[in-house]
Amino acid sequence: QVQLQESGPGLVKPSGTLSLTCDVSGGSISNSNWWSWVRQPPGKGLEWIGEIYHTGSTNYNPSLKSRVTISVDKSKNQFSLKLTSVTAADTAVYYCARFRSTGEGFDLWGQGTMVTASS
Amino acid sequence: DIQMTQSPSSLSASVGDRVTITCRASQGLSDYLAWFQQKPGNAPKCLIYAASRLQSGVPSRFSGSGSGSDFTLTISSLQPEDFATYYCQQYNNYPYTFGQGTKLEIK
Repeated sequence: QVQLQESGPGLVKPSGTLSLTCDVSGGSISNSNWWSWVRQPPGKGLEWIGEIYHTGSTNYNPSLKSRVTISVDKSKNQFSLKLTSVTAADTAVYYCARFRSTGEGFDLWGQGTMVTASS
Repeated sequence: DIQMTQSPSSLSASVGDRVTITCRASQGLSDYLAWFQQKPGNAPKCLIYAASRLQSGVPSRFSGSGSGSDFTLTISSLQPEDFATYYCQQYNNYPYTFGQGTKLEIK
């Protein structure tokens, strides 16, 4: 059974870079799925950040595109998020999720990791 | 971006009630619409995809309908574990976008 697990620092200084990794276990990241990052500020709704395919092809939310990089490491079966020039507005729970290319949408999510932008 | 508008934003209901939540998109989506349930401290859980298809393992009291720009999520008989926040999400166009959420509370 495929599982996703986010990891990374819980505290990032303003103007710094947020870096998170999502480990994919129980299945190959090279299957025909897209792998996404979604975030949720405290008490607010969900925002899609972007996605990557195992080939390295990416799509980003234009609202974050200038600051976001999503990459994949097939040898480690994981994908990663980098968000630069962080401000307090980037404080959120960050989720990784699987988007099924076969049509089932976002069917699998990690548990989420809280990242706070603060000095 | 496609704007997703849910109504109501909050809803009080009792166990056994039939509940309907609506979601309107700012442009047509075909059937590329999903519904999620989220409980405090937990990740969202997909209930419905392709507007009306039930995710594996989701109870049959949940159903979805609609196409184009108007969609509904119906819970036929509320159970205690159904009190949560519900989100719709479109995946017809980038960037994928979510509704603002509907909080379902116990009356």
